[in-house]
Amino acid sequence: ETGVTQTPRHLVMGMTNKKSLKCEQHLGHNAMYWYKQSAKKPLELMFVYSLEERVENNSVPSRFSPECPNSSHLFLHLHTLQPEDSALYLCASSPRPAGGANEQFFGPGTRLTVL
Amino acid sequence: GQNIDQPTEMTATEGAIVQINCTYQTSGFNGLFWYQQHAGEAPTFLSYNVLDGLEEKGRFSSFLSRSKGYSYLLLKELQMKDSASYLCAVIDSNYQLIWGAGTKLIIKP
Repeated sequence: ETGVTQTPRHLVMGMTNKKSLKCEQHLGHNAMYWYKQSAKKPLELMFVYSLEERVENNSVPSRFSPECPNSSHLFLHLHTLQPEDSALYLCASSPRPAGGANEQFFGPGTRLTVL
Repeated sequence: GQNIDQPTEMTATEGAIVQINCTYQTSGFNGLFWYQQHAGEAPTFLSYNVLDGLEEKGRFSSFLSRSKGYSYLLLKELQMKDSASYLCAVIDSNYQLIWGAGTKLIIKP
C-alpha cells in the first residue's frame, strides 16, 4: 500500500470517447503529479499541482485536461485521444512541489489503450 | 539539453552483486534519486543522494560523484524479487526532476 490509489487500472477507449482517470492520495501531501510512461522511455511529466493550483504544464496537448478539486484528489480528463497516447499514466504525490529530498510516492498507474 | 543515461538492460545471477550506473548532464544539480519499479507496479523510492559518497541501506547502496556526473546503485546478495526496472532521476537547478529511461534488471537462478 503506497498511499496513492488510481482508478481504473486498465482502460481501453476509442478515439472519439471521453473518459477520466482518478488519483487519490492519503498521505497529506501538498503536491500531485501526472506522468506518462511509455516503454523504454523516461517518465514524462505532464502536470504538477501544488495546493490545488496548477504550477506546471509541460506542453501537453489539450486533449488531456487535468483537474484538482482538493489536495487529495487529481483527475485527468481524456477526449479525442490518439493511438500514440497509449501508455501507462502514473499519478504521484510529494510533501511539497519542489526542493531537496522531496520523495515522490507513486500510484500503480492506469494502463491506457487507445484504439 | 538535459540527459540521463542508464543501461537498458542487465542480467545477473541470484546471490551475486550487480552495479547499475547512471550518468547525467543537467543544468545544475540538487540531488539524485533511485527508484525501483516492478512490472505493472508503481515506482518505489530506494535512495536519495545529494553529497558525494556512498549511502548504504541494507542490501542496496547508492554512490554519487557530482564532479563526474555519475551515480551507481549497488545491489548485493541478489534475490529473484530484485528483478525489476531501476530508475535514476536528477533534480536540476530549477528543482525539476529529470528521469532516465530505467534499467531492466533480470535475475537468473
